[in-house]
Amino acid sequence: TQLLEQSPQFLSIQEGENLTVYCNSSSVFSSLQWYRQEPGEGPVLLVTVVTGGEVKKLKRLTFQFGDARKDSSLHITAAQPGDTGLYLCAGVQGAQKLVFGQGTRLTINP
Amino acid sequence: DTGVSQDPRHKITKRGQNVTFRCDPISEHNRLYWYRQTLGQGPEFLTYFQNEAQLEKSRLLSDRFSAERPKGSFSTLEIQRTEQGDSAMYLCASSLAGLVETQYFGPGTRLLVL
Repeated sequence: TQLLEQSPQFLSIQEGENLTVYCNSSSVFSSLQWYRQEPGEGPVLLVTVVTGGEVKKLKRLTFQFGDARKDSSLHITAAQPGDTGLYLCAGVQGAQKLVFGQGTRLTINP
Repeated sequence: DTGVSQDPRHKITKRGQNVTFRCDPISEHNRLYWYRQTLGQGPEFLTYFQNEAQLEKSRLLSDRFSAERPKGSFSTLEIQRTEQGDSAMYLCASSLAGLVETQYFGPGTRLLVL
């Protein structure tokens, strides 16, 4: 059972468009992380958000942690084909055990 | 390269056989995690070690699964009497214990049980 629900699960858009991926839960997490995973590889950490309401920017990517620390969003501005991949959110519980969402598979078409 | 390494990268086995996977964490990391990822899903936590002590096991880890980290460095994950439902990517991650940790993942071992 996934405690974190990501939406959409699949997204295919044209280069230059903007997009937002959502990560929602009924549970409170001490922090939330976003990962990107390429086929045949392990996830790579993009960002960790800790404080409710926190916003972090990584070039064209903007990450936000909900005020109640139960949800998060990832916004990509002017998407590029290199942004294609599987994006995973993960909530941190207990001794740093990660609880992952099912992922959003993003495809950016040239 | 001093990242997390896993061996083998791919394993094909017949149902009923035993398999063992190895994970070498980043050398100074004291925590080591095992996750399982099936197609179309995010990784699911299996177990974790702090140094050589196994501190938590998921209910997903049936009696056929055993993990060890004998010297607090590398870890092994053994699956006995494999079943087709064990087919998945097995991911290892390591971290340095702290208030907000970063887990560094290895490339995974993809297991196919025929």
